[in-house]
Amino acid sequence: EVQLVEAGGGVVQPGGSLRLSCAASGFTFDNYVMHWVRQAPGKGLEWVSLISGDGGNTYYADSVKGRFTISRDNSRNSKNSLFLQMHSLTTEDTALYFCARADGSGWYLDYWGQGTLVTVSS
Amino acid sequence: NFMLTQPHSVSESPGKTVTISCTGSSGSIANNYVQWYQQRPGSAPTALIYEDNQRPSGVPDRFSGSVDSSSNSASLSISGLKTEDEADYYCQSYDSRHLWVFGGGTKLTVL
Repeated sequence: EVQLVEAGGGVVQPGGSLRLSCAASGFTFDNYVMHWVRQAPGKGLEWVSLISGDGGNTYYADSVKGRFTISRDNSRNSKNSLFLQMHSLTTEDTALYFCARADGSGWYLDYWGQGTLVTVSS
Repeated sequence: NFMLTQPHSVSESPGKTVTISCTGSSGSIANNYVQWYQQRPGSAPTALIYEDNQRPSGVPDRFSGSVDSSSNSASLSISGLKTEDEADYYCQSYDSRHLWVFGGGTKLTVL
């Protein structure tokens, strides 16, 4: 069974940093592109970033480029993990952050975690 | 920046058919695949349609997708509406830099 479990959310002050993680299981992790998608309270979905299976290619939404870094650890010892390092956070970054897997073709997100909440507030 | 525009809300009665539109802001929406996701309150999204009109395994054939190049829009149709279909629906595609884009979402009410 495919499982994605996010962690690392919390309350952080404006200008602060936070590192999110996503533990993946039930599939061959390094065969799949992984994404982060966020949802501000009461708002719609916003795509944040994606990383290729081998970690060699990354893409970011304009709203987070230069502040967020996506990475992954495909080693068996890491328990197959996806990360999102976030810097220079603003109140606009307050959201539920979902980790999601792209299907084999890469065209859509076939499995999602339940999300981890990031609140940026003074 | 490329944007996808959806109606804020739609409503229809049980048993009827409803169609939700998704209009691209520029270029041709037909140049890139369109996907559709359903999100029930308090839950993560789930995929309904991928590659314009394909259904993932387990999605009922009451759900169908299409793309109309002439109007630069995609559509999600749900037939035989059920109360359980009440949810938010999002279209998704890609911009010219192959970055992913979501529509603003449509709240479906089944009266």
